[in-house]
Amino acid sequence: NAGVTQTPKFRVLKTGQSMTLLCAQDMNHEYMYWYRQDPGMGLRLIHYSVGEGTTAKGEVPDGYNVSRLKKQNFLLGLESAAPSQTSVYFCASSYLTPYGTDTQYFGPGTRLTVL
Amino acid sequence: DQQVKQNSPSLSVQEGRISILNCDYTNSMFDYFLWYKKYPAEGPTFLISISSIKDKNEDGRFTVFLNKSAKHLSLHIVPSQPGDSAVYFCAASDTNAGKSTFGDGTTLTVKP
Repeated sequence: NAGVTQTPKFRVLKTGQSMTLLCAQDMNHEYMYWYRQDPGMGLRLIHYSVGEGTTAKGEVPDGYNVSRLKKQNFLLGLESAAPSQTSVYFCASSYLTPYGTDTQYFGPGTRLTVL
Repeated sequence: DQQVKQNSPSLSVQEGRISILNCDYTNSMFDYFLWYKKYPAEGPTFLISISSIKDKNEDGRFTVFLNKSAKHLSLHIVPSQPGDSAVYFCAASDTNAGKSTFGDGTTLTVKP
């Protein structure tokens, strides 16, 4: 049981390049999330998904796109990277209880630098 | 407009003493509150939570208190240990919305 995994762990991009971050979970969770964390700041929600085939915008969605084609995977895309997107990206998943969603399980993070 | 605030960026305590981390929120729709712990170069991990129908939840050395009228929660760690040194994030959730809002975190340092 690997939990939540993220690929890659590190990446350096040049301004204008594109890339996709992959998140995978093996816990059969319905909900998945992408966050970014900047120095001295908390986790800011980029996009999230409440189930396979669905996505929704979070607090800071501009410049990012996502897809959830399979329940276990959640992809985060940067179409044209900018230095402002230099950050640590965390993926998380959670399950649905009769009372709503419960705790989130996080991946180890992807450190992205845009030059 | 930050809906979840942790006003102390850092806290330093002596081993064996109590650590108290505070969190304030503004959104009345939040009905579930969580604390996560984060070590460097790792993802956050869940620590303890509390539903809005309770005012206290305890798990070993960790206790979370909720004051709904003040929109305030706190995490108590007793006794504090050097291994507790980490960044602690407070999160508030509107469970119907399926997502959480995080504070900026408090860095706890427990000195031996």
